[in-house]
Amino acid sequence: DGGITQSPKYLFRKEGQNVTLSCEQNLNHDAMYWYRQDPGQGLRLIYYSQIVNDFQKGDIAEGYSVSREKKESFPLTVTSAQKNPTAFYLCASTTVRGTDTQYFGPGTRLTVL
Amino acid sequence: KNQVEQSPQSLIILEGKNCTLQCNYTVSPFSNLRWYKQDTGRGPVSLTIMTFSENTKSNRRYTATLDADTKQSSLHITASQLSDSASYICVLGNDMRFGAGTRLTVKP
Repeated sequence: DGGITQSPKYLFRKEGQNVTLSCEQNLNHDAMYWYRQDPGQGLRLIYYSQIVNDFQKGDIAEGYSVSREKKESFPLTVTSAQKNPTAFYLCASTTVRGTDTQYFGPGTRLTVL
Repeated sequence: KNQVEQSPQSLIILEGKNCTLQCNYTVSPFSNLRWYKQDTGRGPVSLTIMTFSENTKSNRRYTATLDADTKQSSLHITASQLSDSASYICVLGNDMRFGAGTRLTVKP
């Protein structure tokens, strides 16, 4: 059963705590992405990685960190420095070649209490 | 200024009718332009992918067009169904710049 998975589906965090969102894919894709979506808004790119051990900041990287130690995994840490972390977080992957389909995970809804 | 602008912001149509959604962009050149469908609370699903040199691409009842001269793309949906109710998002280039989307509601 191939695809891209995210866990957990819902996550609650106390203010001031760091939290890590999981993203795993078994599609053998080189590129992985993290997006944030706020209600009624479009997706905004947080970080992306096109190869293991390398990643680039997107438009809204402040307060977030990532790692890419394995091809199939791209976890996102939401740090306490992120001022407004409550949002819907989406992970995606694709081959590096530009015309291939980008597959999205089901998303994690993070709520800061 | 956002590099990908979509219009209208929202649209309501009756089941069975056709509709056209617009995407204007400022980024040029780019490698590809994509249209996605996103149901509420779910991840986007790819509908079409066009390279810079393509003018049109169809996927069942969805037809995307691209005019590189005017920097516009459109997504035409024919014979709309209730299940077409979703957000439709235009995405540009390999760095995946997303438009804010058009929220389509199909009513019976």
